[in-house]
Amino acid sequence: GNSVTQMEGPVTLSEEAFLTINCTYTATGYPSLFWYVQYPGEGLQLLLKATKADDKGSNKGFEATYRKETTSFHLEKGSVQVSDSAVYFCALSDGSGAGSYQLTFGKGTKLSVIP
Amino acid sequence: KAGVTQTPRYLIKTRGQQVTLSCSPISGHRSVSWYQQTPGQGLQFLFEYFSETQRNKGNFPGRFSGRQFSNSRSEMNVSTLELGDSALYLCASMAGEKLNTGELFFGEGSRLTVL
Repeated sequence: GNSVTQMEGPVTLSEEAFLTINCTYTATGYPSLFWYVQYPGEGLQLLLKATKADDKGSNKGFEATYRKETTSFHLEKGSVQVSDSAVYFCALSDGSGAGSYQLTFGKGTKLSVIP
Repeated sequence: KAGVTQTPRYLIKTRGQQVTLSCSPISGHRSVSWYQQTPGQGLQFLFEYFSETQRNKGNFPGRFSGRQFSNSRSEMNVSTLELGDSALYLCASMAGEKLNTGELFFGEGSRLTVL
């Protein structure tokens, strides 16, 4: 079946530090890949996505590149801010059939940014 | 534009009872899906509806059921509650038909505690 593995947290960084959160996946077919963010007390929000190999998703300074050869979709940001403190989820949608309608999530990585 | 609205936000039940959770999607969205979020298992897909039809169901027992109405509002029901059903239940809606072309918008969730 499909699965997503992301690095365990929590991750604590100083403001302006470089962020990488690793994400690898196992899936049949050609999945679409996503990063979602959950701020304290809020629902999940889509941060970025990529739907085919070598696509780069980007938003709010965050980037992730769909690497089919390494089955990875690592999240990066060059300079984090305190406001980036949240839980980050990597997810995939199987490109085939009923899998097109559901997300398989990783366990989430909690990021804390300190001033 | 109003977001995804879930009611109730918090509820406490005892083992053996049943519960119904409600979700109002963003206006115009025809797809509604439900996810269970727990500290141990993370985010797990429950089911997805599109125009009143269930298109996909996750690996949950038959005690978990749902439905979608003609106005796209959705309800999920859990019967014979167990302690392990304590979780945050998230509803999400989508404008398109598939995740590779659409985007899921999540509500803030209904937090169920089973005593």
